[in-house]
Amino acid sequence: DVKVTQSSRYLVKRTGEKVFLECVQDMDHENMFWYRQDPGLGLRLIYFSYDVKMKEKGDIPEGYSVSREKKERFSLILESASTNQTSMYLCASRPPKKTYEQYFGPGTRLTVT
Amino acid sequence: KNEVEQSPQNLTAQEGEFITINCSYSVGISALHWLQQHPGGGIVSLFMLSSGKKKHGRLIATINIQEKHSSLHITASHPRDSAVYICAVGDRDDKIIFGKGTRLHILP
Repeated sequence: DVKVTQSSRYLVKRTGEKVFLECVQDMDHENMFWYRQDPGLGLRLIYFSYDVKMKEKGDIPEGYSVSREKKERFSLILESASTNQTSMYLCASRPPKKTYEQYFGPGTRLTVT
Repeated sequence: KNEVEQSPQNLTAQEGEFITINCSYSVGISALHWLQQHPGGGIVSLFMLSSGKKKHGRLIATINIQEKHSSLHITASHPRDSAVYICAVGDRDDKIIFGKGTRLHILP
């Protein structure tokens, strides 16, 4: 079974803190994705990566950055957390062929106070 | 721009009822996905289809490419089916666009 894990299920941070969300997948997938999910808005793509050291902006990259130093790990960084970044963050991975399904991690519910 | 619309947004039904959730999209796609999200956040893939119909247990997914429409059906619904069901489409540029989800609540 494909396994996608995220470093925390729940996280509480203060405004202005630097926040790291880690995602690890064990199936050697090339593609990895970071989404945020908010009520009434659904899942929105923040960043994605097709390979090590490669990254592409999604629909809402402002206020975020990412790092992919190893194939299995994709990190989302909030440089200076703000209250409007309070959300559920979901990581996903997928083989390169577009018709393959995505596998999601359990999610991290981040609260910024 | 591809839009994905789901209906209904919320659905409450009695145990045993036949459930239908609809999904419409606006442009050509490579594949359509139905996902399930239980309280607590984790998302699992139920179906991925590009034509016809797929069945898994009590779940059936259909797609009509010409009409740009898909349905997810649940037969003999059960309280454990209570979840958010999300339709997502992969467009020809390899981008996945998600619907806002349908919140299903099955009463015992």
